[in-house]
Amino acid sequence: DGGITQSPKYLFRKEGQNVTLSCEQNLNHDAMYWYRQDPGQGLRLIYYSQIVNDFQKGDIAEGYSVSREKKESFPLTVTSAQKNPTAFYLCASSMEYVGYGYTFGSGTRLTVV
Amino acid sequence: ILNVEQSPQSLHVQEGDSTNFTCSFPSSNFYALHWYRWETAKSPEALFVMTLNGDEKKKGRISATLNTKEGYSYLYIKGSQPEDSATYLCALHNNNDMRFGAGTRLTVKP
Repeated sequence: DGGITQSPKYLFRKEGQNVTLSCEQNLNHDAMYWYRQDPGQGLRLIYYSQIVNDFQKGDIAEGYSVSREKKESFPLTVTSAQKNPTAFYLCASSMEYVGYGYTFGSGTRLTVV
Repeated sequence: ILNVEQSPQSLHVQEGDSTNFTCSFPSSNFYALHWYRWETAKSPEALFVMTLNGDEKKKGRISATLNTKEGYSYLYIKGSQPEDSATYLCALHNNNDMRFGAGTRLTVKP
């Protein structure tokens, strides 16, 4: 079955550490996205990539980095520069035309301890 | 930034009740409006994609309408069931990404 796999489901990080969240899709989708959710707020775009080796910042990219070396994979690194990293992170992918809608992963909950 | 507002934030209904909630937006300058259903511990699932003013879509007991002139979309659920309990997200496709509302959390009590 095709889909998006995010791992891990839960992640704990000490302050000052970088951590990488994995997102893999086997849907042959061109575009991939990372969103962050905080309580009471809508999903906010961190980064997106429309093709391999290319990506753009979203609204809240500061303190995050991404790479897109393969079509299937779009890992997100939460760096120590991100001041408030505790949140729920959701990865999505879409065909080239985003009007078809997203397919989502099941998310990673990151907690800084 | 295109601001998407959803109301109410949460809703509790009894099994069998019909209900509706709203997605509002300030501009008709977008390509499509999407509704997603997000059950706890699962991935959001696409419900509807709407593009034209006056669009109406239906899937079983759930339907949606779009009014781009007045800037809103309604999602209706007829005869709510406990399995309808979820967060319903509205999103606008604008340029290269989608802008999401905060969602309406629906709880259907048996």
